[in-house]
Amino acid sequence: DAKTTQPTSMDCAEGRAANLPCNHSTISGNEYVYWYRQIHSQGPQYIIHGLKNNETNEMASLIITEDRKSSTLILPHATLRDTAVYYCIVSVAGGTSYGKLTFGQGTILTVHP
Amino acid sequence: ETGVTQTPRHLVMGMTNKKSLKCEQHLGHNAMYWYKQSAKKPLELMFVYNFKEQTENNSVPSRFSPECPNSSHLFLHLHTLQPEDSALYLCASSQDYGSRYEQYFGPGTRLTVT
Repeated sequence: DAKTTQPTSMDCAEGRAANLPCNHSTISGNEYVYWYRQIHSQGPQYIIHGLKNNETNEMASLIITEDRKSSTLILPHATLRDTAVYYCIVSVAGGTSYGKLTFGQGTILTVHP
Repeated sequence: ETGVTQTPRHLVMGMTNKKSLKCEQHLGHNAMYWYKQSAKKPLELMFVYNFKEQTENNSVPSRFSPECPNSSHLFLHLHTLQPEDSALYLCASSQDYGSRYEQYFGPGTRLTVT
């Protein structure tokens, strides 16, 4: 699975959009981009995933660049409860490979009042 | 509430003790996972069970012994642990095995080995 690079930490004001970048320059054609988050003292929580098209759900939007070498997770209106560690993971999801979630250090997002 | 429960939530044990961690999922999933999260280290996948069969063992020491009696229950039996085994142990489940399937995590068991 391709490696990802994320900033160690980011801050965001409550009510503003939080844009979390992820670099995955070695991603291959059959690898998806997944985002999970982990709120303090809880297990990780799935947010969203995508292959090459932009995706949106009730939690967030995922913007993947055309060359697929980077992506951005957008929380449109961050709240204090969005303070967490956000993990960007690249993994195969199909064919003969099951794919594993390999968690890195992630980005610590702190939302301020 | 994710539909995945873990007991106990906290456990303190000596190096000579034997204890077990329990995980139960109420989601009808076929795959279950054990992860370890040590302080300041990323989550590490330990074991994967798919349809009650172990499909992954990431070079975990034999002092950790998993058991999956059915698709809803997963145990991690612990014996003669070391202080460096102190960590948060997380259980997860997914519809089937593979990263394409969203994983649902339990709240974890905070283990301290003295």
